[in-house]
Amino acid sequence: QITLKESGPTLVKPTQTLTLTCAFSGFSLSASGEGVGWIRQSPGKAPEWLAVIYWNDDKRSSPSLKSRLTITRDSSKDQVALTVTNMDPVDTATYYCFHLGMYGDYVIDSWGQGTLVTVSS
Amino acid sequence: NFMLTQPHSVSESPGKTVTISCTRSSGSIASNYVYWFQQRPGSAPSLVIYEDDLRPSGVPDRFSASIDISSNSASLTISGLKTEDEADYYCQSFQTDNPWVFGGGTKLTVL
Repeated sequence: QITLKESGPTLVKPTQTLTLTCAFSGFSLSASGEGVGWIRQSPGKAPEWLAVIYWNDDKRSSPSLKSRLTITRDSSKDQVALTVTNMDPVDTATYYCFHLGMYGDYVIDSWGQGTLVTVSS
Repeated sequence: NFMLTQPHSVSESPGKTVTISCTRSSGSIASNYVYWFQQRPGSAPSLVIYEDDLRPSGVPDRFSASIDISSNSASLTISGLKTEDEADYYCQSFQTDNPWVFGGGTKLTVL
């Protein structure tokens, strides 16, 4: 069974850097075809894709946020981290990590429970 | 780049059938697979349809989907509605530079 769980600060100030961690189990990110990514969802809005990292260390980020995003992995700990620089109140959202690989390279088959991040001074 | 447009809300009675549409703004709907997610209040989204019309294991066969090239749209159909189906539903497809593009979501009310 695949599980993912996000952790990190619930409140950050404008201009600060946000770092979130996704701890996962039930798969190995070193196995062919596996991937972990991040999506955020502002209250009442549709999900917005942020970044993804694959088993072969291939990484992709949303073009609109690319300069502010960094995704990394720690295979020894089964964790993936997302860093977002220069946070702004519009970045207030629930941040989810997700898994790819059960039904194909691009199919989001599992989600974490999400973590709400509020940006406010 | 294309957008996916969904109706803001739909409602239907228990036991009935409801269909939610997802219209692609440019390019053919058949160019890229369409996926559907269910999001119950306070929960993360959950995959209910992948690759246009396939159900993941555990999703009841009351959920079905299709694409229609003539209207350039995809549709999610839920039959035998149950109160537990009340949720937001999102369609999703791909673009080259932004792989996971979501529709605006449809709020399904089962009254």
